Amino acid sequence: GAVVSQHPSWVICKSGTSVKIECRSLDFQATTMFWYRQFPKQSLMLMATSNEGSKATYEQGVEKDKFLINHASLTLSTLTVTSAHPEDSSFYICSARHAGLAGDLEYNEQFFGPGTRLTVL
Amino acid sequence: LAKTTQPISMDSYEGQEVNITCSHNNIATNDYITWYQQFPSQGPRFIIQGYKTKVTNEVASLFIPADRKSSTLSLPRVSLSDTAVYYCLVGDILTGANNLFFGTGTRLTVIP
Repeated sequence: GAVVSQHPSWVICKSGTSVKIECRSLDFQATTMFWYRQFPKQSLMLMATSNEGSKATYEQGVEKDKFLINHASLTLSTLTVTSAHPEDSSFYICSARHAGLAGDLEYNEQFFGPGTRLTVL
Repeated sequence: LAKTTQPISMDSYEGQEVNITCSHNNIATNDYITWYQQFPSQGPRFIIQGYKTKVTNEVASLFIPADRKSSTLSLPRVSLSDTAVYYCLVGDILTGANNLFFGTGTRLTVIP
């Protein structure tokens, strides 16, 4: 299957600083990427949809000015957690949509990155 | 978006077949059913996807009845390494408009 990477895999930062997380589709182009957040023992929660060349679409309750998303190319989306606080500590996971036609067969799959664990002190 | 309901947890002994059922009563015509597996501190991993009847791959089978209001993921002869959380998701892939929303998932524990 297609590969999605995230960098860094973990990060520890002080309260008030900003942290950037990168999501890359390594062997395919993704016009759409997604950012999720997962707290311990809980399910993944969709934060926003990142579309290449346009503004991200945020889910209800997610502050767009706090979680800045940039999808500057077909293989890279970044999530910047601005002025991070301890309550932002979580596991952040991205996914990339891989869609197209293989002959007459239409496919549309999402491949997930390995996640980034953010700890804000 | 169709909401999914799964058992919160399941236990199974090694070597047994495990069936995890997911309810999705409001599934739409264009919705596909996809199952993911997640280990702690890792991203979800695609297991299987289907639209109707039965789909089988090298790791699992997916059974979908005619009314498509539920689906069952079948894992043959589970091993300890199959201990994970399994998520059932429903989404429209034909139009490419699906954003995958995760439900609670089923935490499977395989016992020696």
